[in-house]
Amino acid sequence: GQQLNQSPQSMFIQEGEDVSMNCTSSSIFNTWLWYKQDPGEGPVLLIALYKAGELTSNGRLTAQFGITRKDSFLNISASIPSDVGIYFCAGQSPTINNTNAGKSTFGDGTTLTVKP
Amino acid sequence: NAGVMQNPRHLVRRRGQEARLRCSPMKGHSHVYWYRQLPEEGLKFMVYLQKENIIDESGMPKERFSAEFPKEGPSILRIQQVVRGDSAAYFCASSPVQASSGANVLTFGAGSRLTVL
Repeated sequence: GQQLNQSPQSMFIQEGEDVSMNCTSSSIFNTWLWYKQDPGEGPVLLIALYKAGELTSNGRLTAQFGITRKDSFLNISASIPSDVGIYFCAGQSPTINNTNAGKSTFGDGTTLTVKP
Repeated sequence: NAGVMQNPRHLVRRRGQEARLRCSPMKGHSHVYWYRQLPEEGLKFMVYLQKENIIDESGMPKERFSAEFPKEGPSILRIQQVVRGDSAAYFCASSPVQASSGANVLTFGAGSRLTVL
């Protein structure tokens, strides 16, 4: 099956620092999604990317859909304590006859710790 | 406008018992997905359903697990004869009718945490 390699597995940074994490895959994806999960909660969508090469920002977050369609990165600028959590990338494959529709493959997550 | 509602949030079962997890999708969403998250791991796809139809169950274990999304009422993930290895967080997500682009952005519930003693 499809697998996503997400790195780094964990990060410990000082408040105010920038953060970068990425995902790579052996398969092509049509859509890349980045989620954040707080303890005891479900993942919440941060950014969705729909086209190869697309660069999208959401406040201090910036994500890019790789040209090869096999990778994506997420940057967080000027981190703050509430950025703490687990960040997941997810890829969606092209739909074929309504199968695969919305079936996202998730990376194993990057756990971010921000020290005040 | 409530989001994806899951219950129970926490469930404790002894080995051999049955676990039933419920999920009500967001209003207007007709697609439901179940994912499992083991401690310190990512989310693993289990099953994708539309009303009265299982579209993709390629991630479901072959035995003891079943899912349904009836015409009326919530989607239910059922685990029979639970074992300790079933202990995990089970997340439900929903999406609206598929976009023409083929992309489906999922909205997740808060999860149901199953502990098997």
